[in-house]
Amino acid sequence: KAGVTQTPRYLIKTRGQQVTLSCSPISGHRSVSWYQQTPGQGLQFLFEYFSETQRNKGNFPGRFSGRQFSNSRSEMNVSTLELGDSALYLCASSLWQGGRGYTFGSGTRLTVV
Amino acid sequence: KQEVTQIPAALSVPEGENLVLNCSFTDSAIYNLQWFRQDPGKGLTSLLLIQSSQREQTSGRLNASLDKSSGRSTLYIAASQPGDSATYLCAVDNTNAGKSTFGDGTTLTVKP
Repeated sequence: KAGVTQTPRYLIKTRGQQVTLSCSPISGHRSVSWYQQTPGQGLQFLFEYFSETQRNKGNFPGRFSGRQFSNSRSEMNVSTLELGDSALYLCASSLWQGGRGYTFGSGTRLTVV
Repeated sequence: KQEVTQIPAALSVPEGENLVLNCSFTDSAIYNLQWFRQDPGKGLTSLLLIQSSQREQTSGRLNASLDKSSGRSTLYIAASQPGDSATYLCAVDNTNAGKSTFGDGTTLTVKP
């Protein structure tokens, strides 16, 4: 079966712009979680969506937002980009909410210049 | 708040050696613990998932153990190969946290 698909794989944006990243989970998985990975901070939890509702949120500013559609696909949006937002953004899907065994996508590498 | 620590941060071994990676966590009320592998610039590949009721899981040359009472998990890699070179992360899923907490990983280099 198809894995977790993240698009695009790479993005270069300018400070102040906004960006939208997409994640399609494994078929049948209803939970999608987003993580930010940077060399200095490691993997940091952004938020989790389950059945189109945000169930959990990490400690990130309001510039980071997301949503989930009825087909479980999820998008995350970052507005007013800052240099510090440069990171690998990883999406993970699981059958149930709250982790319970993640399958990760390949990630989107965002570079803010 | 769950804290997950992985020691050492980096490890270099000759090919063929057996090795153990460590993961410790502070809150033992966990649902499961998952070990991942990450190659540079890539996503995470799940290696083993241990439910809280289990003591260990095995897959090929990999064996992961879990001791909730001491807050520790180990990943044992037998007969290491250069292709095992990667960063290994453990992730702890707490019962009431609604998310997994990751360690910073151990970067393994296996020299031919």
